[in-house]
Amino acid sequence: ETGVTQSPTHLIKTRGQQVTLRCSSQSGHNTVSWYQQALGQGPQFIFQYYREEENGRGNFPPRFSGLQFPNYSSELNVNALELDDSALYLCASSLVGSEQFFGPGTRLTVL
Amino acid sequence: AQTVTQSQPEMSVQEAETVTLSCTYDTSESNYYLFWYKQPPSRQMILVIRQEAYKQQNATENRFSVNFQKAAKSFSLKISDSQLGDTAMYFCAFMEYSGAGSYQLTFGKGTKLSVIP
Repeated sequence: ETGVTQSPTHLIKTRGQQVTLRCSSQSGHNTVSWYQQALGQGPQFIFQYYREEENGRGNFPPRFSGLQFPNYSSELNVNALELDDSALYLCASSLVGSEQFFGPGTRLTVL
Repeated sequence: AQTVTQSQPEMSVQEAETVTLSCTYDTSESNYYLFWYKQPPSRQMILVIRQEAYKQQNATENRFSVNFQKAAKSFSLKISDSQLGDTAMYFCAFMEYSGAGSYQLTFGKGTKLSVIP
């Protein structure tokens, strides 16, 4: 059984740029959720995808967007990067309504 | 909005001893799930234990057990026979149905646990 994987591991961008983070779900899972974890904080829910559609969203602006593909992998896109977007971005996969299993995260630094 | 509170930012325990991490939450719902996740320095968030709100029996997973008090909205984690590998951030998390098929996790701020040899 393959676990959740994320790429890249680390990323450095400058303010105003755009970034795409990728996530591959655990085998058999059909739901992907994305979380932002600032340094010293708990993760904050960004959004969730099921059947290639966003079906839940946290308190994040529209410049945070995503995609889910037919193989249940997912992308998180962030436009017009701001300094406060520097964080660890976590992807989690699950079956609907079940416990979520997390990937190792992508550390994004915005300069 | 749901909130999860972990009142102990840091804790330490001697190896082989027992430690309890506290968590309280706030919700108006009756059906929900509670979790404890562990995040070691490697950053990987690892599920430790889960509890369904409709179950009265407290969950256990080997050395890990919970004390779930639904009326008090309390969900503490007990780690027995602490091991050096238990050193990590521990996050309490709450999950409920939020509409349109979506289930989102709400996390506390975490408790940093250090196991001392």
